[in-house]
Amino acid sequence: DAGVTQSPTHLIKTRGQQVTLRCSPISGHKSVSWYQQVLGQGPQFIFQYYEKEERGRGNFPDRFSARQFPNYSSELNVNALLLGDSALYLCASSLGHLNTEAFFGQGTRLTVV
Amino acid sequence: QKEVEQDPGPLSVPEGAIVSLNCTYSNSAFQYFMWYRQYSRKGPELLMYTYSSGNKEDGRFTAQVDKSSKYISLFIRDSQPSDSATYLCAMGQGGSEKLVFGKGMKLTVNP
Repeated sequence: DAGVTQSPTHLIKTRGQQVTLRCSPISGHKSVSWYQQVLGQGPQFIFQYYEKEERGRGNFPDRFSARQFPNYSSELNVNALLLGDSALYLCASSLGHLNTEAFFGQGTRLTVV
Repeated sequence: QKEVEQDPGPLSVPEGAIVSLNCTYSNSAFQYFMWYRQYSRKGPELLMYTYSSGNKEDGRFTAQVDKSSKYISLFIRDSQPSDSATYLCAMGQGGSEKLVFGKGMKLTVNP
């Protein structure tokens, strides 16, 4: 079975630009969460979506938004990129919305220059 | 005080050693506890998942949870060079969607 897949794997953007990251969860999983991992730190929770509804939001500015599609895949959008947005963006999927046994993808490494 | 504290190390041990990794937490609402392994430039891989105090064993790995002390541990027996990675503890509370992670401990097992 395929695990959580994320695209693209790497991305370089310029300050002020917008970026869209994509995630496909494990088959049968209905919950998708997004995390930001800055170098040397643990992942920080950004959003969770379950059954296409936002179920949780972390302490991130409104420049960050996300959505989930009927096939349970998800997109994370970041507007007006800042240098500090450079990080590894991780997607996790789980069966239900309480994120027990969350499985992560390989991540998208975003560099803002 | 951070919700989850984890010594970032780094920790270097010889092959075959027993490794002990620890996290403390302040939020008594945390109900389930996970350990992830993360290789360089990769996503975290779920190693162990527990939701009660006590020990859980899986091969060379043992996860220990002490809710009264708000302390969790991961023990690795007979450590191998392939165990060299960053180990992250993560916690969640019932009814909440997010996981709270420690900073991660970088482990190197030397042949």
